[in-house]
Amino acid sequence: EAQVTQNPRYLITVTGKKLTVTCSQNMNHEYMSWYRQDPGLGLRQIYYSMNVEVTDKGDVPEGYKVSRKEKRNFPLILESPSPNQTSLYFCASSLRSRAGDQPQHFGDGTRLSIL
Amino acid sequence: AQSVTQLDSQVPVFEEAPVELRCNYSSSVSVYLFWYVQYPNQGLQLLLKYLSGSTLVKGINGFEAEFNKSQTSFHLRKPSVHISDTAEYFCAVSELWGKFQFGAGTQVVVTP
Repeated sequence: EAQVTQNPRYLITVTGKKLTVTCSQNMNHEYMSWYRQDPGLGLRQIYYSMNVEVTDKGDVPEGYKVSRKEKRNFPLILESPSPNQTSLYFCASSLRSRAGDQPQHFGDGTRLSIL
Repeated sequence: AQSVTQLDSQVPVFEEAPVELRCNYSSSVSVYLFWYVQYPNQGLQLLLKYLSGSTLVKGINGFEAEFNKSQTSFHLRKPSVHISDTAEYFCAVSELWGKFQFGAGTQVVVTP
């Protein structure tokens, strides 16, 4: 089954404790992206990757890191999480690196609470 | 820079009535436009997309949208809604190279 898998689905942690949210897709997609969803703000793009070893900033990259060492994986790293990063996070992927015309397949989300 | 505005944060509608969700965008270049739906506790699913060609786009579940370049709009419509259409709807715009902007979302609440 074609899917985008995020782990964990839920996490409660404390300020400053490094965490990683993993994202994996089994569709051989070139493009992957991370978003955060906050009430009244919709989804905001954090980082995206056009292909392996190619990443770029979205609209809200501060406080986040990503890497794309393999095509299928695109982890989101919070080196020193802060309460304002409490949010619902989505990973998405699409087929081609020219991603503008490709619909994205979304994971089920990761709800992060940072105390 | 691209941006998206969804003009209604919530739209209440009776079952079997029509619904229209409004989306306006701004961009200095050609864009691709999408509508996604999010059911509770789920990720987003694509409803339809406009890439080029016919300005009237038909999607899944009886939804359609019309691209209006002069008004920079991409409104979503359904002629008759069901209870199961209760969800949050997001308009999204993309320029060519991988950056996406989503609107703030419109919550559709369908009542009997």
